[in-house]
Amino acid sequence: AQSVTQLDSQVPVFEEAPVELRCNYSSSVSVYLFWYVQYPNQGLQLLLKYLSGSTLVESINGFEAEFNKSQTSFHLRKPSVHISDTAEYFCAVSEGSNTDKLIFGTGTRLQVFP
Amino acid sequence: DVKVTQSSRYLVKRTGEKVFLECVQDMDHENMFWYRQDPGLGLRLIYFSYDVKMKEKGDIPEGYSVSREKKERFSLILESASTNQTSMYLCASSPGGAGGRIEAFFGQGTRLTVV
Repeated sequence: AQSVTQLDSQVPVFEEAPVELRCNYSSSVSVYLFWYVQYPNQGLQLLLKYLSGSTLVESINGFEAEFNKSQTSFHLRKPSVHISDTAEYFCAVSEGSNTDKLIFGTGTRLQVFP
Repeated sequence: DVKVTQSSRYLVKRTGEKVFLECVQDMDHENMFWYRQDPGLGLRLIYFSYDVKMKEKGDIPEGYSVSREKKERFSLILESASTNQTSMYLCASSPGGAGGRIEAFFGQGTRLTVV
């Protein structure tokens, strides 16, 4: 069975510092990987996704994630965070079927301090 | 833009009541999902539907049922609400037919409190 592990439940960081949110997955088949962001009192929005090809994927707001098949990881990074990045971040894996079912990690709360 | 609309942002219900959570999507998506979100547990799948009147249990279906009579609408039903069903409920939809390559789109969530 597939599973997703987000090792850090909370990550506090100062504004303009770099950040890494860790995600590891387990799967016996090829997977598609996603990072979603949830701002306070809102639903989830897609941040970025890995389907195939280049192992480094980027979002429009400066986040990037690298797919590492040998380490079964999909860590999310940003070189310089902003106060507005304060949110909860969820890593998810798709089993690759037409049902589009996603398996989510437990989430990491990123808190950016001024 | 895809829009997934949940009928209520906040609900307060009494123990034992029958509760309906409604979700509507406007992009003709085949798949619809109900998740429950709890601190430290992430999102857990309750039920999903891959076609009208078709449904499958997710990871935590106990105490819940669903209805999908029309393609755009997916309802979550708590037959007899209990305090341990106090949670944030998230509805999502996805187009299907792409082998899981296309992301799901989420509603704003319904925060349900059972007292």
